[in-house]
Amino acid sequence: AQSVTQLDSQVPVFEEAPVELRCNYSSSVSVYLFWYVQYPNQGLQLLLKYLSGSTLVKGINGFEAEFNKSQTSFHLRKPSVHISDTAEYFCAVSDLGGAQKLVFGQGTRLTINP
Amino acid sequence: DTEVTQTPKHLVMGMTNKKSLKCEQHMGHRAMYWYKQKAKKPPELMFVYSYEKLSINESVPSRFSPECPNSSLLNLHLHALQPEDSALYLCASSQSGGFGEQFFGPGTRLTVL
Repeated sequence: AQSVTQLDSQVPVFEEAPVELRCNYSSSVSVYLFWYVQYPNQGLQLLLKYLSGSTLVKGINGFEAEFNKSQTSFHLRKPSVHISDTAEYFCAVSDLGGAQKLVFGQGTRLTINP
Repeated sequence: DTEVTQTPKHLVMGMTNKKSLKCEQHMGHRAMYWYKQKAKKPPELMFVYSYEKLSINESVPSRFSPECPNSSLLNLHLHALQPEDSALYLCASSQSGGFGEQFFGPGTRLTVL
């Protein structure tokens, strides 16, 4: 079975500062990795995904993430945040077969201060 | 069309009411999902349909009854709910046999009085 740990429940950052949201996973099989963003009162939107290949993945809204197999991590980064990035961010893993269940982390609340 | 739509956006119901939530996608996806999300928590999987057949029921109480009339539609029938069932209900879809990426709808905010 897979599990996902998001190490920070809340991350406050000043506008235009860089940010890193941390995600570690555990799994006995190969997995696909995702970051989703949820703005207030909305559904989840896919930011980026790692399926295979290059370990540095670029997503929407200037976000990127790096897959590190030895550290079992998939941290999300953005070099300069904007007020509009204030949202809840979820890291998720999916195994390669079966019903493609997504296992979510507990989420990280990113708050951007002016 | 890369959108999952859900209706209604908001729903208020009493504990004796019967209501339904509706979800639709036109991406040709053959896997569809219902999730329940409480405030400040991640989505919790409730049901998975694969090729219009129920493949996963995560021990959801029988007052929630899913239905998949065709490959584009997913319903969630609600009956005799409890106040603790108040939550955001999210629908998602994905390519069956694909990479696990799920596309989410905007959700239905349900309040049970």
